[in-house]
Amino acid sequence: SQQGEEDPQALSIQEGENATMNCSYKTSINNLQWYRQNSGRGLVHLILIRSNEREKHSGRLRVTLDTSKKSSSLLITASRAADTASYFCATDARGGSEKLVFGKGTKLTVNP
Amino acid sequence: DAGITQSPRHKVTETGTPVTLRCHQTENHRYMYWYRQDPGHGLRLIHYSYGVKDTDKGEVSDGYSVSRSKTEDFLLTLESATSSQTSVYFCAISVQGKDTEAFFGQGTRLTVV
Repeated sequence: SQQGEEDPQALSIQEGENATMNCSYKTSINNLQWYRQNSGRGLVHLILIRSNEREKHSGRLRVTLDTSKKSSSLLITASRAADTASYFCATDARGGSEKLVFGKGTKLTVNP
Repeated sequence: DAGITQSPRHKVTETGTPVTLRCHQTENHRYMYWYRQDPGHGLRLIHYSYGVKDTDKGEVSDGYSVSRSKTEDFLLTLESATSSQTSVYFCAISVQGKDTEAFFGQGTRLTVV
């Protein structure tokens, strides 16, 4: 079964707006990662946040992690048409194997 | 693309035939993964490897086998292809497994007819 589940499944916004995607997971984790996938391409790593971190920034990306709620959010500020892609969270399982488990993704469309 | 090459990129095969997909890396990373991606399911882990000849099953391993005889190559074999194995297959590599970022190949689109 999937460890991480993204919400919403699809999101459509206008250029310049902020986009927020959420990820919920079930078991304790060591870290959580966010990836991006452009149509027909492989996934590209965006950011990794460890279980002892609460917030992390990278350019226009802001990731938060709430281990008490077993959830994370990815905020993309001042979105651009080029941000149109699917976004996935990936989690491990603390004390578990080396598996990295992905959610089903959020499909973001940024309209020019 | 982080030195990962998947081959073939596209393949059409008949039900019941064996198929082998290859993932080749030039990064000397220890961990290698095979995922399949299907609409409505996201990415699901098939098998992974944490070293030469060291492999383990993922969540959808039935009907698949893997081999890693060299650090740089991770082979995924569909022993007897079925239509349910029609999918896009992605290989990924990472330095230290789940604690570090994974780099993905471009994918192999497999159609079983």
